[in-house]
Amino acid sequence: KAGVTQTPRYLIKTRGQQVTLSCSPISGHRSVSWYQQTPGQGLQFLFEYFSETQRNKGNFPGRFSGRQFSNSRSEMNVSTLELGDSALYLCASSSAFGAGVGSYEQYFGPGTRLTVT
Amino acid sequence: AQSVSQHNHHVILSEAASLELGCNYSYGGTVNLFWYVQYPGQHLQLLLKYFSGDPLVKGIKGFEAEFIKSKFSFNLRKPSVQWSDTAEYFCAVRPVFGNEKLTFGTGTRLTIIP
Repeated sequence: KAGVTQTPRYLIKTRGQQVTLSCSPISGHRSVSWYQQTPGQGLQFLFEYFSETQRNKGNFPGRFSGRQFSNSRSEMNVSTLELGDSALYLCASSSAFGAGVGSYEQYFGPGTRLTVT
Repeated sequence: AQSVSQHNHHVILSEAASLELGCNYSYGGTVNLFWYVQYPGQHLQLLLKYFSGDPLVKGIKGFEAEFIKSKFSFNLRKPSVQWSDTAEYFCAVRPVFGNEKLTFGTGTRLTIIP
């Protein structure tokens, strides 16, 4: 079974530009989460989607947005890029969403390395 | 909201030494607990998980972790480390109820000296 794929793998943008990152979950997985990883900060949660609906949102400014399509693929967008947005953006998928023991194992993609200059 | 603390930021050990990485969380309810590992240049991958039952869980590559509910801890252990264990290790927690997010600690970088 193919893993989580993310495109592009590397991206260099200039301050003020916008960027769109894409994530394709494992086949059959319907939940997608996004994280920002920076040295010293670990993984900061951005959003979680299930069945095209945002179910959870982290503490990021409104410049960060996302969506999920009917095929479970997801995109995240960052508008008006700032230097501090330079990070590794990780996408993770899981087969389920919702309360209950054992429903939360997430599988991660390789990430998109975004550099803002 | 829940939070996770990993107090060891960087641990350096010699091969064959024993390992214990600390993880404490704050949340009053029932949780699922995870340890993830990120080897240099590789994806973040699941090392082990605790959902319910036996608080001592075993994962891949000889790792284990013990959930101590009274201490809100989920420490990772390995009796004898290898050079290939050099990686960054992340503890994560997610409440079972309430559709809460998965929350990660800031990670512990482990360096094994041959």
